[in-house]
Amino acid sequence: DIQMTQSPASLSASLEEIVTITCQASQDIGNWLSWYQQKPGKSPQLLIYGATSLADGVPSRFSGSRSGTQYSLKISRLQVEDIGIYYCLQAYSAPYTFGAGTKLELK
Amino acid sequence: EVQLVESGGGLVQPGRSLKLSCLASGFTFSNYGMNWIRQAPGKGLEWVASISSSSSYIYYADTVKGRFTISRDNAKNTLYLQMTSLRSEDTALYYCARPYGGFDYWGQGVMVTVSS
Repeated sequence: DIQMTQSPASLSASLEEIVTITCQASQDIGNWLSWYQQKPGKSPQLLIYGATSLADGVPSRFSGSRSGTQYSLKISRLQVEDIGIYYCLQAYSAPYTFGAGTKLELK
Repeated sequence: EVQLVESGGGLVQPGRSLKLSCLASGFTFSNYGMNWIRQAPGKGLEWVASISSSSSYIYYADTVKGRFTISRDNAKNTLYLQMTSLRSEDTALYYCARPYGGFDYWGQGVMVTVSS
């Protein structure tokens, strides 16, 4: 099974700060990587798919990148509404696997 | 508007069975694979099962293989998850989700609590 190692587990950042979250895949997953944001009491929301493509309606301050088997989600200028938990997901091969999540808080 | 509405959750004793449903609307259900994903209280997301549009391809997480069965009725626009031999560790909020790129639409989730 493919393991997704997500870091950091938690992150405290200031408004307008640049935030980066990473996921390391245990093997090649190509671009079959997506990112999700989950707010308390809500269903997860797709942010990035295909490692780098922005989902519909997602602000352009969110971006995704890939370097080999390492994937990153970047928030260019943190806003209050970006607070939540972020997950990566590999859908290259079943069983699909999520990262453990990154809890993003305001400093 | 795409909508996914889960139902069928509740409190069930260990070892018993439960069947979840996910009613889809706002898109051509028969054209899409579908997935079940769960989230234990205070924990992260766990993918559970996947089914292709015509039910030809089905996959399960190791934690539920042999106990859970995913199925669909394209005529009724409904996805199912039959859960048997339930354990306390199956207690979670269960979401259905549509894969398109990533999982672009999710239901609101249905709670399953396994407890005596």
